[in-house]
Amino acid sequence: EIVLTQSPGTLSLSPGERATLSCRASQSVSSNYLAWYQQKPGQAPRLLIYGAFTRATGIPDRFSGSGSGTDFTLTISRLEPEDFAVYYCQQYGSSPLTFGGGTKVEIK
Amino acid sequence: QVQLVQSGAEVKRPGSSVKVSCKASGGTFSSYSISWVRQAPGQGLEWMGGILPVFGTVNYAQKFQGRVTITADKSTSTAYMELSSLRSEDTAMYYCARGLRSAYDVDAFDIWGQGTMVTVSS
Repeated sequence: EIVLTQSPGTLSLSPGERATLSCRASQSVSSNYLAWYQQKPGQAPRLLIYGAFTRATGIPDRFSGSGSGTDFTLTISRLEPEDFAVYYCQQYGSSPLTFGGGTKVEIK
Repeated sequence: QVQLVQSGAEVKRPGSSVKVSCKASGGTFSSYSISWVRQAPGQGLEWMGGILPVFGTVNYAQKFQGRVTITADKSTSTAYMELSSLRSEDTAMYYCARGLRSAYDVDAFDIWGQGTMVTVSS
């Protein structure tokens, strides 16, 4: 099973700032099948990025994904008020599918 | 626009079973995988397993093997997740989620149900 470790656990930033979230895998993620999700309280997760860097339909271009192998990054170029949420990475290159523990982006 | 609509909240006794449904509307059902993901209160996301209805293939996370059964009824575009031998640690929100790509049995999830809260309590 691939273990995904997200860091930091919490990121305290102000609107307009840049957010950089990390996801590290315990072994290489096959075909870079790495996704990122955003979850707000009381809501289901929303797909942001798949295949490590491809934005899902309707996702603003301030969200970008990068990385390969075992190290992946989600960057939010300029935080909007609606971006404060919890973010999860997920690998879907091998079964069982696994999620990271999440990074909470909170308002400073 | 595909939507996944799940059945309502459940309260169950320890040792019993729960069956949650997930009905797809507005698009093709059989050729996309449906997975079940749970989230305990205040915790992260945990994949339980998934099914690709067109082939009938099912994958389970080893943690739940023997306790979870995932099925799909193509005639009603509905997927089901049954979890048995419930214990308090199974108290969680249970989500169904659709795979992104047609005919892939494991995938990222682009469409999610609204969630079904299952509470296990004596």
